[in-house]
Amino acid sequence: KQEVTQIPAALSVPEGENLVLNCSFTDSAIYNLQWFRQDPGKGLTSLLLIQSSQREQTSGRLNASLDKSSGRSTLYIAASQPGDSATYLCAVGDQGAQKLVFGQGTRLTINP
Amino acid sequence: GAVVSQHPSRVICKSGTSVKIECRSLDFQATTMFWYRQFPKQSLMLMATSNEGSKATYEQGVEKDKFLINHASLTLSTLTVTSAHPEDSSFYICSARGSWRDTQYFGPGTRLTVL
Repeated sequence: KQEVTQIPAALSVPEGENLVLNCSFTDSAIYNLQWFRQDPGKGLTSLLLIQSSQREQTSGRLNASLDKSSGRSTLYIAASQPGDSATYLCAVGDQGAQKLVFGQGTRLTINP
Repeated sequence: GAVVSQHPSRVICKSGTSVKIECRSLDFQATTMFWYRQFPKQSLMLMATSNEGSKATYEQGVEKDKFLINHASLTLSTLTVTSAHPEDSSFYICSARGSWRDTQYFGPGTRLTVL
């Protein structure tokens, strides 16, 4: 059974810093991996989608990497801003039904 | 594109009543829809997967008679929480995926509070 773990559970940094969020998964036979953002009481916003054959994806100040063999992904946020404050969720898509298994999330606070 | 809506966004009901939540794909045909629940400060847990015109597939531990799912059209799925109890209070989120898309698109969620 796939298990997804995110470290740290919470992170608080000053504005302008670069930061890395970590995601690990137990079964490397994945279809894809996604990073989402969730604001309090809201739904999910997809940030980046990495296919199993890819190593990384970039969108603006965000860069996500995937190392399937080691079961790890990282989300790099450059030049963080207070508006980046949210919970970031990592989700792994299985090869069959493409179900998503979510990690517990990292609660990120960017201090002005 | 790829917008998913949910209605209602928030509902409060008395214990023992049933509540229906709608999930709609507004600009694409969703061959598959997913229902998740999220408890406070916890992650999303998949409850069930439904394909249009077929019975939903429920995850282990989810009571199919309590959480009725209908996916009658390519743009609408409903989740009915029957005989709701306070422990059913949660944030319910749906997602939808088209046959040609590689990702799920999520709705804004429905906050259910059972008194």
